This record gives sequence, C-alpha cells and structure tokens, in this order.
Amino acid sequence: DPKIIQKPKYLVAVTGSEKILICEQYLGHNAMYWYRQSAKKPLEFMFSYSYQKLMDNQTASSRFQPQSSKKNHLDLQITALKPDDSATYFCASSQTGDPNSDYTFGSGTRLLVI
Amino acid sequence: GEQVEQLPSSLIVQEGASVLINCSYTDSASVYFPWYKQEPGKRLQFIIDIRSNMERKQTQRLTLLFDKKTKHLSLHITATQPGDSAIYFCSASKRGGNYKPTFGKGTSLVVHP
Repeated sequence: DPKIIQKPKYLVAVTGSEKILICEQYLGHNAMYWYRQSAKKPLEFMFSYSYQKLMDNQTASSRFQPQSSKKNHLDLQITALKPDDSATYFCASSQTGDPNSDYTFGSGTRLLVI
Repeated sequence: GEQVEQLPSSLIVQEGASVLINCSYTDSASVYFPWYKQEPGKRLQFIIDIRSNMERKQTQRLTLLFDKKTKHLSLHITATQPGDSAIYFCSASKRGGNYKPTFGKGTSLVVHP
C-alpha cells in the first residue's frame, strides 16, 4: 500500500488553466514537501511545511500555492499554467521538519501543459 | 548555495559487476547525506544515508564512503542485478533549521542480465 498518495498520476492541461495536485500521507509524518523534476533540471525543492505551517518557499512564482487543509495533506495549486510548468511533481514527507532525516516520496504527478 | 555533483551521469554494466557512483558537495555545513533510488516511472526510495561524523556505512550490497575533507562521497554497489537498474540520487542537507536537502542530477545505472 502506498503510504503517500498523489493524485492524479497523469495530468494534461491547457495553457492558462488552473490545476490542483493532491498529496496525502498516511505515515503520521509532521513535515511535507513538494519537489519538481524535469528533463532540464535536477530534483528541485519547491516548498516545505511543518505542522501545517509553511517553513520554506523556493518557488519564485506566486502561481504555485501549497494548500494544507489537514496535517496529512499538502496539495499544490498551480494557476495560469505554462508549457514550462510541464514536469513531474513529487510530494514527500518526513517525521519532522528537520532535513536530517530521510524522506518518503510519493509516486509523482506527471503534468503536461499544452 | 549548496551544489551537489554526481559522476558519472550514466553507467551500463553486466549483471554481477560492481559499480561506483561519486558525489561531491560544496557547502562544508552539510552534515547529512541520504541517497535515493528511482526506478523508471516510480517514486524515489531511500536506500542509504551517512552523517558527517561517519566515514563508512554498509548495508547489504551497498557501501557508502564519506570524506569530509574533500567533501566527497562514493556509493559502491556490488554484485549488481537487473533490479538495480535505476537512477541514483545523492543529496546533502545542513543541520537543523529550514535547510532543505539539495539533490544531485542523478546517475542512471543500467544492469544487463
């Protein structure tokens, strides 16, 4: 059973539209993260949350907004989608917000913006 | 900021061979180095880690060596199997605070039967 669920697995969106990527973890972890992986760049850190509070934001664009309605949820809303946003978006979690512990990753959402 | 470099970018070997993946980092404040494996189309999975107060860690067919002076790590995989085919990522993170781990670009390993 996957302990971190990401939905959807694949997503095709039209330029200019808005999408929400879902992430839920059932590990009892207190920290959650979003990373982006594309062919052009290595795994890129986007956001970190600890106890539902934003701890770090390395995403330059305000078009990316994390949403944490529950402790084990961290969704990612992306507005005004652009083709350059095409990537695989990974959610991850760890026991605490201390980066000195390993992460558990979700299986990713592959986003294609056309 | 921290930069993590991995070499080689890709490896192709026959089953049973041993491989070495090198990783270097730039920030001397980094203290924790987890490695992850990503099989095609799948999630990243934690495989081994080492802290800066250690020089070596071994688990099954994986041996991770760490040299604090040169800021260099190497992951040694022995008796490779086709199931080891994946992209291997090195990462580095600092002590405490909001420091997020920095990942290398990955090393693609293909093991032919």
